[in-house]
Amino acid sequence: DQQVKQNSPSLSVQEGRISILNCDYTNSMFDYFLWYKKYPAEGPTFLISISSIKDKNEDGRFTVFLNKSAKHLSLHIVPSQPGDSAVYFCAASGEGGSQGNLIFGKGTKLSVKP
Amino acid sequence: DTGVSQDPRHKITKRGQNVTFRCDPISEHNRLYWYRQTLGQGPEFLTYFQNEAQLEKSRLLSDRFSAERPKGSFSTLEIQRTEQGDSAMYLCASSLEISTPETQYFGPGTRLLVL
Repeated sequence: DQQVKQNSPSLSVQEGRISILNCDYTNSMFDYFLWYKKYPAEGPTFLISISSIKDKNEDGRFTVFLNKSAKHLSLHIVPSQPGDSAVYFCAASGEGGSQGNLIFGKGTKLSVKP
Repeated sequence: DTGVSQDPRHKITKRGQNVTFRCDPISEHNRLYWYRQTLGQGPEFLTYFQNEAQLEKSRLLSDRFSAERPKGSFSTLEIQRTEQGDSAMYLCASSLEISTPETQYFGPGTRLLVL
C-alpha cells in the first residue's frame, strides 16, 4: 500500500511558465516532507522541505505548499528552466523528522521545453 | 568534494556471485541509510545506522543482504548469491541526527546488473 503517491508520471511545461508537481499521502503521522530532484544515473538531490507545522516554504524559484487536511503537498517552480528537467520525488517521514527512513513516491518526470 | 560517495558506480555480476558496495557519508554525519531503487519506482528503504549501530532493517533486506558500519564512518552492503531480481540502483544517504529537521543527502548510487 503506497503511503506517498505521485499520480502524474510526467509533466511538460514551457520555459518561463510555472511547474506544479503534486503529491498525496495517507499517513497522518508524517510530519516532515521533502522534495528531491534526480537526473539520470545520479542520486537524488535534496531540493526543499517542509515541516507539518507550516503550510508554505519558499527557496528561490521553488515553493512547497502543504495542505494537511487534504494530505496533499505541491512543489511550484517558477519560472521553469530547461535545467529543471528531471524526475522529482516527494518523500515523507514521521516522528518529528528524525527517524529511520524516508517513504518516497514513484516520481514525476518534468520536461521543460525551451 | 565533501558529499556522499559510493563505490563502485557500476557493477555487473553473474547470478550466484557475491557483491559488496561501499558508501562514505558526509564526514560529520552520524546516520547512514541504504536504499534500493528499481525502474519506475522511488527509492525504497533497506536499512540505517546511527554511528556503528544498525537500528532498523526493512523486510526488503533478505538474509542474503548484510550491511555493516564497523567504525561509524563508511558502510558496506553485501549481497550474497545474487539473483536477477537484485538488479537495481543501490543508494546511500547520510544525515546529522541533531539537525532539525533531519535531511538525508544521497550519494550517486551503485547500479547493479545481475546476469
